[in-house]
Amino acid sequence: AQSVAQPEDQVNVAEGNPLTVKCTYSVSGNPYLFWYVQYPNRGLQFLLKYITGDNLVKGSYGFEAEFNKSQTSFHLKKPSALVSDSALYFCAVRDVDSNYQLIWGAGTKLIIKP
Amino acid sequence: DARVTQTPRHKVTEMGQEVTMRCQPILGHNTVFWYRQTMMQGLELLAYFRNRAPLDDSGMPKDRFSAEMPDATLATLKIQPSEPRDSAVYFCASGFEAWGSYEQYFGPGTRLTVT
Repeated sequence: AQSVAQPEDQVNVAEGNPLTVKCTYSVSGNPYLFWYVQYPNRGLQFLLKYITGDNLVKGSYGFEAEFNKSQTSFHLKKPSALVSDSALYFCAVRDVDSNYQLIWGAGTKLIIKP
Repeated sequence: DARVTQTPRHKVTEMGQEVTMRCQPILGHNTVFWYRQTMMQGLELLAYFRNRAPLDDSGMPKDRFSAEMPDATLATLKIQPSEPRDSAVYFCASGFEAWGSYEQYFGPGTRLTVT
């Protein structure tokens, strides 16, 4: 069965430090992977995606993600965290069976402390 | 700056009443998704449209929920009759489905409270 796991419910980082939000996946075939961010009382916003090509994908707001096929991971990273990065982050993978659904992780709450 | 719009943003209603939520997808997008978000269940896909045709509504309680796209600029989600367990945030998302372009763009959501 296809799945996405975000092993951490919450990640705490000091402002200015690098941050990583973890995501692992399990799909048959080539994965199409996504990261979204949700600020309080807002809809989800698309951050970045991996479809093919370079394993390091750059996205909005200075975020990047590294696709690692051998570890089946797609961790979200940022070199220097801002307090405004505090939000809920979702990893998702495209469902190869339906060819349109996204399988969503449970979300990771990122808290950046000043 | 193209955005998905949803109305109303908040709705409080009594059990048994009909609720209609509306969504205007981004112009030019050919897919529309309806999601429900709760703390317990996370994000659940309720319905999916491509080129206005409903292709998947397996996530919806069929006896009370219905989703339609009367035209390319309007998608609706109706609940009749509503129940307290329907209380959640309902999101509409749209996208343009082509190879390499599968991201979805979400509206701000409708927060529904059924008392």
